[in-house]
Amino acid sequence: EVQLVESGGGLVQPGGSLRLSCAASGFIFSNYWMYWVRQGPGKGPVWVSRISPDGRTTNYADSIKGRFTISRDNAKDTLYLQMNSLGPDDTGVYYCAKPLRLEGNSLSGSFDFWGHGILVTVSS
Amino acid sequence: DIVMTQTPLSSPVTLGQPASISCRSSQSLVHSDGNTYLSWLHQRPGQPPRLLIYKISNRFSGVPDRFSGIGAGTDFTLKISRVEAEDVGVYFCMQARQLPYTFGQGTKLEI
Repeated sequence: EVQLVESGGGLVQPGGSLRLSCAASGFIFSNYWMYWVRQGPGKGPVWVSRISPDGRTTNYADSIKGRFTISRDNAKDTLYLQMNSLGPDDTGVYYCAKPLRLEGNSLSGSFDFWGHGILVTVSS
Repeated sequence: DIVMTQTPLSSPVTLGQPASISCRSSQSLVHSDGNTYLSWLHQRPGQPPRLLIYKISNRFSGVPDRFSGIGAGTDFTLKISRVEAEDVGVYFCMQARQLPYTFGQGTKLEI
């Protein structure tokens, strides 16, 4: 059974930092791109970042570029998001997500599993 | 960025009756590989989004066949043939044609 379990969230003051983790199990983690998606209070999801299976390629949303760093440890089946210079607009629930892979390793353009989410609150 | 616009934002429905949600993208979602990466997700309060439909019309494993997706290019629709109580919540469309992946603002389905 696929499981994605986020941790590391909480309350932080503006300008502060947090490191989120996502522990993965039930699939071959090292074979998959992995994603972070966040959702502000009462809002739709927003794509944040993604990382390639070997960790060498990363992409970021413009709103967090230069402040957040995605990484992974395939030996530990864990995805990370280092968040620096946090502001109130970064408040929300952060999800890690696994992409759906179709037969023949073809893309689906969607996520079949999401973690339960971890709340990050940026406030003084 | 590709903007995804859903209508309506709120939809009162009657159990057993059909429902539909529209999603329009600001540019074509046809990828250079020929696929159209448009998905539909459902979210209940306090839960993560759950995949319903991928690539316009493909139901994800375990999704009831009362859910169907149609569309092409920039216009897409999620249809529910007969609404059940468990279908309440918020529905989102999502495009993965290009980064950043973007989501619609959500449609709240209320009984």
